[in-house]
Amino acid sequence: NAGVTQTPKFQVLKTGQSMTLQCAQDMNHNSMYWYRQDPGMGLRLIYYSASEGTTDKGEVPNGYNVSRLNKREFSLRLESAAPSQTSVYFCASSEALASGVDTQYFGPGTRLTVL
Amino acid sequence: AQSVTQLGSHVSVSEGALVLLRCNYSSSVPPYLFWYVQYPNQGLQLLLKYTSAATLVKGINGFEAEFKKSETSFHLTKPSAHMSDAAEYFCAVGNFGNEKLTFGTGTRLTIIP
Repeated sequence: NAGVTQTPKFQVLKTGQSMTLQCAQDMNHNSMYWYRQDPGMGLRLIYYSASEGTTDKGEVPNGYNVSRLNKREFSLRLESAAPSQTSVYFCASSEALASGVDTQYFGPGTRLTVL
Repeated sequence: AQSVTQLGSHVSVSEGALVLLRCNYSSSVPPYLFWYVQYPNQGLQLLLKYTSAATLVKGINGFEAEFKKSETSFHLTKPSAHMSDAAEYFCAVGNFGNEKLTFGTGTRLTIIP
């Protein structure tokens, strides 16, 4: 049981390049999330998916797109990377109980630098 | 709308001393509250959570937190700090029917030998 996995662990891009961050979970969770973590700003939600086939914007969606490929996988795409997107990106998943609020389980993160 | 304020971006305590990390929340409906810990170069792990049952919640590694509605607080405590407690701690708030959590800006805990 690997939990939440993310690839790659590290990435360096040049301004304007594109890339996709991959996330997969093996806990059969319904909900998945993408966050970015910046010093002094905590975690900010980029996009989330409440179930397979649905995605919604979070607090900071500009410059990103997502795909919920199936129940296990949720990818984050940067179409034209900018230096402001230098950050650590975390994927998370949760079972989404009837209460709608459940523990989120986090992956190890992807450290992205945009030059 | 919901928000979290963590007072003190950096806290230092001596080994064996009391750890107190502060979290105040704002929520228009009864909140669900979480504390997560992040060790260097790792993802976040759940320490404990409050979901409207007992107001004093016990978590892993000897940590506990008390929900105080009148003070809109959910402070994290540990009676005796250990070197392994050095990490960054995040408080988060959620609401019934909303799958999103709102995180605080974090408090970095340093343990002084």
